Amino acid sequence: QVQLVESGGGVVQPGRSLRLSCVASEITFSTHGMHWVRQAPGKGLEWVAVIWPDGSNKYYADSVKGRFTISRDNSKNTLYLQMSSLRAEDTAVYYCARNTGNHYFDYWGQGTLVTVSS
Amino acid sequence: QSVLTQPPSVSAAPGQKVTISCSGSSSDIGSNYISWYHQLPGTAPKLLIYENNKRPSGIPDRFSGSKSGTSATLGITGLQTGDEAHYYCGTWDSSLTAYVFGTGTKVTVL
Repeated sequence: QVQLVESGGGVVQPGRSLRLSCVASEITFSTHGMHWVRQAPGKGLEWVAVIWPDGSNKYYADSVKGRFTISRDNSKNTLYLQMSSLRAEDTAVYYCARNTGNHYFDYWGQGTLVTVSS
Repeated sequence: QSVLTQPPSVSAAPGQKVTISCSGSSSDIGSNYISWYHQLPGTAPKLLIYENNKRPSGIPDRFSGSKSGTSATLGITGLQTGDEAHYYCGTWDSSLTAYVFGTGTKVTVL
């Protein structure tokens, strides 16, 4: 079954770190850019970061720059998001999404919830 | 980070047509393809339109997209109750080197 599956979410205290993973199954992973997108409760979609297929380029939203790091392991068909210095405003469902062609997302994961709270 | 501007909500009766606008700038919509996503409550977003006006396999032709300059439009004809969802536009911003989403539009079928 074609899918992206995120994991690693949970409740974390402000200032702590968390690493999210996204595993791709039955879809081509290594030749596609991959994104993280988040959605705070009751809010719209917010783009977080992108990584090129070979990992050579990475770009981040201003809101997470310097705190979050996107990476990938093509041998494991896995995308990561290392989140540090977490803040209450980072509370959201985090989705991974595959980039195809001219910057559109053809596959999305089901999302993993990150709650930053003391 | 800039976002694309959409109306908060649109509504129409079953069978009618709605359009959703998406307004941006020369560095985002004006320079790159637009895509559209819809999101049912409690589910992940799903691709609806890509490269301005193309529909993925399985998306009915009731859904259409267009782009002109720094704006784009999503059209839904023959509105159905199952179309009630949030709709988002999105594109790459070449100046910001970032992806930007629209503010989102809730479609209500009266």
